[in-house]
Amino acid sequence: DAGVIQSPRHEVTEMGQEVTLRCKPISGHNSLFWYRQTMMRGLELLIYFNNNVPIDDSGMPEDRFSAKMPNASFSTLKIQPSEPRDSAVYFCASSLPGQGAGGYTFGSGTRLTVV
Amino acid sequence: GENVEQHPSTLSVQEGDSAVIKCTYSDSASNYFPWYKQELGKRPQLIIDIRSNVGEKKDQRIAVTLNKTAKHFSLHITETQPEDSAVYFCAASVNQAGTALIFGKGTTLSVSS
Repeated sequence: DAGVIQSPRHEVTEMGQEVTLRCKPISGHNSLFWYRQTMMRGLELLIYFNNNVPIDDSGMPEDRFSAKMPNASFSTLKIQPSEPRDSAVYFCASSLPGQGAGGYTFGSGTRLTVV
Repeated sequence: GENVEQHPSTLSVQEGDSAVIKCTYSDSASNYFPWYKQELGKRPQLIIDIRSNVGEKKDQRIAVTLNKTAKHFSLHITETQPEDSAVYFCAASVNQAGTALIFGKGTTLSVSS
């Protein structure tokens, strides 16, 4: 298995533009998580899905952020419009139910820079 | 909701010394406590985990202890090596199903030779 695949690896965009981050979880993992990592706030849980259904989106910072999981093998995190304070590394992770297989597997992350 | 506090934020040790990182959590329903290591520019990777029915777990130079009554858990690294230098994160499960993890803010460990 290729692991959790995120794209793009790096994204530089201008303030006000729409940004879409993509994630393909490990096949068979039915839980998917989006995290944001910054120096100040560490790893923040934004939203997570079980069996493609959003369970908790209380970590989504503002209405500018939205996430979807249309099927078991794909999820997107969208920011519209983007702002400089959204600059961070965004990680996607997937897991089997109840952390039965040793916890999360993280993707390589998307480093977002909003200028 | 769950809150995880991690200390210290930075830790510097000499090669061969031991390092200890401590975390506390707030939700008594949490039952799964993993530790992740993140090297510069890389993804976090699981190094060891413990469940609430166990008090201690060891894997070579790494050990984790859990005190459910006090709601704290610790990572112990013995005989540290320069390659142990990284950021270490503790985490606690959000609910009894253990579906989501809340992370501490991380500890930057520097091992000098």
